Amino acid sequence: QKEVEQNSGPLSVPEGAIASLNCTYSDRVSQSFFWYRQYSGKSPELIMSIYSNGDKEDGRFTAQLNKASQYVSLLIRDSQPSDSATYLCAVNPLMDSSYKLIFGSGTRLLVRP
Amino acid sequence: NAGVTQTPKFRILKIGQSMTLQCAQDMNHNYMYWYRQDPGMGLKLIYYSVGAGITDKGEVPNGYNVSRSTTEDFPLRLELAAPSQTSVYFCASKLTGVETQYFGPGTRLLVL
Repeated sequence: QKEVEQNSGPLSVPEGAIASLNCTYSDRVSQSFFWYRQYSGKSPELIMSIYSNGDKEDGRFTAQLNKASQYVSLLIRDSQPSDSATYLCAVNPLMDSSYKLIFGSGTRLLVRP
Repeated sequence: NAGVTQTPKFRILKIGQSMTLQCAQDMNHNYMYWYRQDPGMGLKLIYYSVGAGITDKGEVPNGYNVSRSTTEDFPLRLELAAPSQTSVYFCASKLTGVETQYFGPGTRLLVL
């Protein structure tokens, strides 16, 4: 059973702080990893993807991947109240183009003004 | 472009009733997906399609059926509704070679 694990939270941080969200996955052959943001009552939207070990930066967001430890994380710098949402980690366990993603249960982030 | 649209937004079903959740996209995406999301949980893949006439099972297909007669539409059929099917259903689509899946607004289903 392929699994993606996340701490459900809530993770509470003050405005302007760095929020660190973590995810572990069970399938060693997984090749591509995604972070989705989901506001309450809304649909998920893709904010970051990462395929190689190391860091990938996009604006205030940095995704980090460590395949040896089967660990992927998302850092949000200068957190804003508008970042308050649930962040879903997703893994494509097979490197195929159909992208049958496996999602974690999500971490709820609260950014306090 | 309307993107991915889903109807209805909300529905209450009685146990044993049937219904079809509609999903359409106007982006000419060949890949389409149906997910369900239970409260406080992540999304689980029900069925997916790589193009018109081609569908395959995902992680949790039992109790559901799909068809894909056109590129635009990918309806999800519930034949005998059960309380365990109470969930929010999301449809998504993507283009070949592009990683981003675009999600519809969701259908909230309550089976009583």
